[in-house]
Amino acid sequence: DGGITQSPKYLFRKEGQNVTLSCEQNLNHDAMYWYRQDPGQGLRLIYYSQIVNDFQKGDIAEGYSVSREKKESFPLTVTSAQKNPTAFYLCASSIVGQETQYFGPGTRLLVL
Amino acid sequence: EDKVVQSPLSLVVHEGDTVTLNCSYEVTNFRSLLWYKQEKKAPTFLFMLTSSGIEKKSGRLSSILDKKELFSILNITATQTGDSAIYLCAVIHNTNAGKSTFGDGTTLTVKP
Repeated sequence: DGGITQSPKYLFRKEGQNVTLSCEQNLNHDAMYWYRQDPGQGLRLIYYSQIVNDFQKGDIAEGYSVSREKKESFPLTVTSAQKNPTAFYLCASSIVGQETQYFGPGTRLLVL
Repeated sequence: EDKVVQSPLSLVVHEGDTVTLNCSYEVTNFRSLLWYKQEKKAPTFLFMLTSSGIEKKSGRLSSILDKKELFSILNITATQTGDSAIYLCAVIHNTNAGKSTFGDGTTLTVKP
């Protein structure tokens, strides 16, 4: 079945640690996105990529990094520079030029 | 600064009631407005609106866009407990394909 998968479902981070969230899609979409959602708030764009080996910062990129080495994969690293990482992270993909984004099931990141 | 504001932030109704959710926006280079429903995890797509005054309908849900007054509404008639969710409004920008700004969402609770 086509879709987007995110792993892990829950992730715990220790102080000063970098952690990487996985996002994979088999929809053959060129564009991929990472969002952060805090309780009672909407989605805020962290990074997005429209093509392999290229990505752009969103509205809250500080403390995060991404890579896009393969079309199917867009991992997000939450670095130790992100001082308030506890949130729900959603990955999405779309066909470039089409507005509808398809979302993965999300990863909930918690700080120990 | 681009802004998408949803109201009310939360709403509690009883089954059978009709609700209207609001989304107003101030963004540069508007391209389209999307509504999503988020139950537990991934938002799922409801509607995409690009033209003023044309109502989109899907069952008991309908939505319309006013590009002059910069807002959209989402109507749900004869609400059911399964309509309980967060409803997200997102505006897609024309400058960077796929870049979107989300509102904070409206949390709808439908009581039996």
